[in-house]
Amino acid sequence: QVQLVQSAGEVKKPGASVKVSCKAFGYNLNTYGITWVRQAPGQGLEWMAWISTYNGDTKFAHKFQDRVSMTTETSTRTVYMELRSLRSDDTAVYYCGREFCDGDRCYLPDYWGQGTLVTVSS
Amino acid sequence: QSVLTQPPSVSAAPGQRVTIPCSGISSNIGNNHVAWYQKLPGTAPKLLIFESDKRPSGIPDRFSGSKSGTSATLGITGLQTGDEADYYCGTWDSSLSAGVFGGGTKLTVL
Repeated sequence: QVQLVQSAGEVKKPGASVKVSCKAFGYNLNTYGITWVRQAPGQGLEWMAWISTYNGDTKFAHKFQDRVSMTTETSTRTVYMELRSLRSDDTAVYYCGREFCDGDRCYLPDYWGQGTLVTVSS
Repeated sequence: QSVLTQPPSVSAAPGQRVTIPCSGISSNIGNNHVAWYQKLPGTAPKLLIFESDKRPSGIPDRFSGSKSGTSATLGITGLQTGDEADYYCGTWDSSLSAGVFGGGTKLTVL
C-alpha cells in the first residue's frame, strides 16, 4: 500500500539549514510527485513546493523559492527537502505528500507522511 | 492571511448536519478542483474529498463536497464526537503556480 515515511525531528540554530527526507513505498514514482506542506504551531497548513520524481521538475510557493531545494534519489525512492537560512518562524511540522500534477496544474496530496518537527532555536 | 477563506469555527449537535464553506477566486477554486482534509492534533492531514466532490475509498458517505463558481463546500451529516477536528480546503492557484489552503475551520460537536 502507499506509504510515506519521513525522517526524525531536528533542532537547528537560526541561519542553519535542515534536510528532511521522505521515503515512498507502494506506488509508481513516475506517476506522482512529492509535495512539502508545513504547519507552524497554532497555524494552518502551508503549501511549500513540489518535485516531480519522474523528471525533477519543480514548483514553488513564491516565499520559498529562494530557500528551498529538493532532490530525488530514485534508487532508494527517497525525496529530500532542504530549507536554508532558518529562522525561528520556520519552526513547524513539515509533511511530505504524494501529489499528482498534470502539466501546469496539481491536485493536492492524497497520501501523507507522518510529519517531521523542525525546531529553530538559539 | 490565507488565499482561501474559511470560517474559523463551526459547531453542531451530534447527529446533525454541518457545512463548511471555502471561498476563493477564479484563478484558484474557479478553475481548479478542490480537496478537503481533516486534521487532528499530532496527526497528518487526512484526505476526505478530492476533485471537489469525490470520496477516497474508506471515507464514509457522511462526508460530501461540492463546488460552484469560486466557492466550495464540505458537508458532514450524522455528526459524531469523533468528527471534532480542523478541516482545511485546498486547491491549485493557476496564477501563483502553487497550491493554496484555507485557514482551517475548527468543528465542535456539542
